[in-house]
Amino acid sequence: DVKVTQSSRYLVKRTGEKVFLECVQDMDHENMFWYRQDPGLGLRLIYFSYDVKMKEKGDIPEGYSVSREKKERFSLILESASTNQTSMYLCASSGGLAGVSSTDTQYFGPGTRLTVL
Amino acid sequence: GENVEQHPSTLSVQEGDSAVIKCTYSDSASNYFPWYKQELGKRPQLIIDIRSNVGEKKDQRIAVTLNKTAKHFSLHITETQPEDSAVYFCAASIDRWGYQKVTFGTGTKLQVIP
Repeated sequence: DVKVTQSSRYLVKRTGEKVFLECVQDMDHENMFWYRQDPGLGLRLIYFSYDVKMKEKGDIPEGYSVSREKKERFSLILESASTNQTSMYLCASSGGLAGVSSTDTQYFGPGTRLTVL
Repeated sequence: GENVEQHPSTLSVQEGDSAVIKCTYSDSASNYFPWYKQELGKRPQLIIDIRSNVGEKKDQRIAVTLNKTAKHFSLHITETQPEDSAVYFCAASIDRWGYQKVTFGTGTKLQVIP
C-alpha cells in the first residue's frame, strides 16, 4: 500500500516567516509533486520533481522553492510567508523511471492546511 | 502550458440517476487522463483513468470517454448513490523527457440526493 505522509496537518505562521512543508513517500516513486488547493481553483501545481535533486516549476511557483535531497522526501519552502499563501497544500508521488516516458497514478498525502497571519 | 477546463462546477442529481462531468484540454501532447474523487476532508484518490490510445473505459458504474480530436473527455456515473457525493477532478497528463506533469481541472462538486 502506497503511503504518502506530510509533516503537519495544520500549521499557523506569521507573515515573513520561513516555512517548511515536508512530504515523504515509501514506494520508491521517481516523481513527486506539490499542489495547493483553493476553493473554485482546483489543484494547482507549484513544483514537481522527477528525480533526486531535479526540480521543475509548475504553474504557480512564485514565492515557493523546493528541495529533494533524497528520493523519498520532497520539501516545499515558503521563503517569506504571505497571507495569500494561506491554503491547503497537497503532496503527491507517482512511479516511473527517469529517462523513460511513463504515466502513472498519483498518490496524495493527507494535506497541510497552512494559515498565514 | 496545458489548460484543463471542467464543467459543471456543481451538480445535483437524484439517487439512481446518472451524472456526467465534462473536461476539455488544450495540449494535444497530453496522453493520460485520470479522474480523482475527493471526499470531504480526505485526500484525492484515483477512481478511473484513460490513456490516449483508448476511446472508452468502464469500471462498474463509472465510465470515461475520450475524444482526442475534439480534446475532450467525460466521466459518467450511472445509478448514483449517496456515497458518490464528493468533489471530482479531471486531469490531463503530459509525458515529457521521462517525467510526468499533471494539470487538474477546477473540480465538480457532486451531490446525490437520497
